[in-house]
Amino acid sequence: NAGVTQTPKFQVLKTGQSMTLQCAQDMNHNSMYWYRQDPGMGLRLIYYSASEGTTDKGEVPNGYNVSRLNKREFSLRLESAAPSQTSVYFCASSEGQVFGNTIYFGEGSWLTVV
Amino acid sequence: AQTVTQSQPEMSVQEAETVTLSCTYDTSENNYYLFWYKQPPSRQMILVIRQEAYKQQNATENRFSVNFQKAAKSFSLKISDSQLGDTAMYFCAFMKHYGGSQGNLIFGKGTKLSVKP
Repeated sequence: NAGVTQTPKFQVLKTGQSMTLQCAQDMNHNSMYWYRQDPGMGLRLIYYSASEGTTDKGEVPNGYNVSRLNKREFSLRLESAAPSQTSVYFCASSEGQVFGNTIYFGEGSWLTVV
Repeated sequence: AQTVTQSQPEMSVQEAETVTLSCTYDTSENNYYLFWYKQPPSRQMILVIRQEAYKQQNATENRFSVNFQKAAKSFSLKISDSQLGDTAMYFCAFMKHYGGSQGNLIFGKGTKLSVKP
């Protein structure tokens, strides 16, 4: 029962390097999300995709790009990593379309930018 | 803008006892959803319970229940018969019922709960 799967789990980047976080869900959900969690904070929304073929900015989109590859997959790209992007990243999904549907999270990806 | 406040950074409880975690929020919306998520040391975000604002009845899930006071904008979580596995960070979260970025959960800063044997 996989749910939401993210890769990689851990990554160390140098400032200026690029990388892509991959996410896939097997629950046939319409909506997918990327959040980040900084120390002592709750999660904050980076980008979301309400349905296949659409993406929109969340609360903290600067420095990131996303791609909704198909209904299952939603990737997050850091084009030029900065130390301020050191965080734990969570991918999530929900049935969507009906507001208030429960959001299910992946296990998180720990990213350190040095 | 909506805000969520958890005023208790840390709490502890003895195994088998009951503990209540506080959460208040600020919104001008009338229809919305409230959630409690649990984050154990593994960092997985696990849904504990959800409440629809239009429902007067408080939500319950086994040992977990909420006290939802809409007028006071309060949403506390009660854990009964605490177990060692309940040790985790607990986040209160708010979601608008309509409009805006769908799925934009607004989180509090969390309460670290330790259950002691």
